Amino acid sequence: SQQGEEDPQALSIQEGENATMNCSYKTSINNLQWYRQNSGRGLVHLILIRSNEREKHSGRLRVTLDTSKKSSSLLITASRAADTASYFCATVTGANNLFFGTGTRLTVIP
Amino acid sequence: NAGVTQTPKFQVLKTGQSMTLQCAQDMNHNSMYWYRQDPGMGLRLIYYSASEGTTDKGEVPNGYNVSRLNKREFSLRLESAAPSQTSVYFCASSGDRGRRSGYTFGSGTRLTVV
Repeated sequence: SQQGEEDPQALSIQEGENATMNCSYKTSINNLQWYRQNSGRGLVHLILIRSNEREKHSGRLRVTLDTSKKSSSLLITASRAADTASYFCATVTGANNLFFGTGTRLTVIP
Repeated sequence: NAGVTQTPKFQVLKTGQSMTLQCAQDMNHNSMYWYRQDPGMGLRLIYYSASEGTTDKGEVPNGYNVSRLNKREFSLRLESAAPSQTSVYFCASSGDRGRRSGYTFGSGTRLTVV
């Protein structure tokens, strides 16, 4: 079964606005990762947050992790048309394999 | 640096035919993975190889076999293709099984079984 679920399934915003995507997961994790997938392409790793971390930043990306609620959020600030893509959370559990959620499709309108 | 290379990019098979999807990485990673991606399902792990010489089943292994040919190459074989195996297949590699860094993905193989 899927480890993670993203919310919303689809999000459409204007360029310059912030985009927030949420991820919930089911079991204890070692870390949680976010990936981007442009249409028809492979996945690209964006950021990794360990289970003992609460917040992490990378450029315009901000990730939070709440292990008590088994949830994470990805914030993209000042969005650009080039940010249009699907975004997936993925978790590494004790088995040390990566399990993906169902993804959020983000559309940034110029 | 090519990263992870998958071949072919596209393939159409008839039900019952067999084929092998090839994957090679040039990052000296120990671990390699095969995922399938279906609409609305995210990515699901088919098989993985934690290190050269080992392979293990993932979430959805039925109908597939794998071979870790050497440290660089990890192939996925469909012995008798079924329409339910129509999907996009991704190969990935990792140096530390995702414990400290992300996976590197190939660009995918789009397979249609008719």
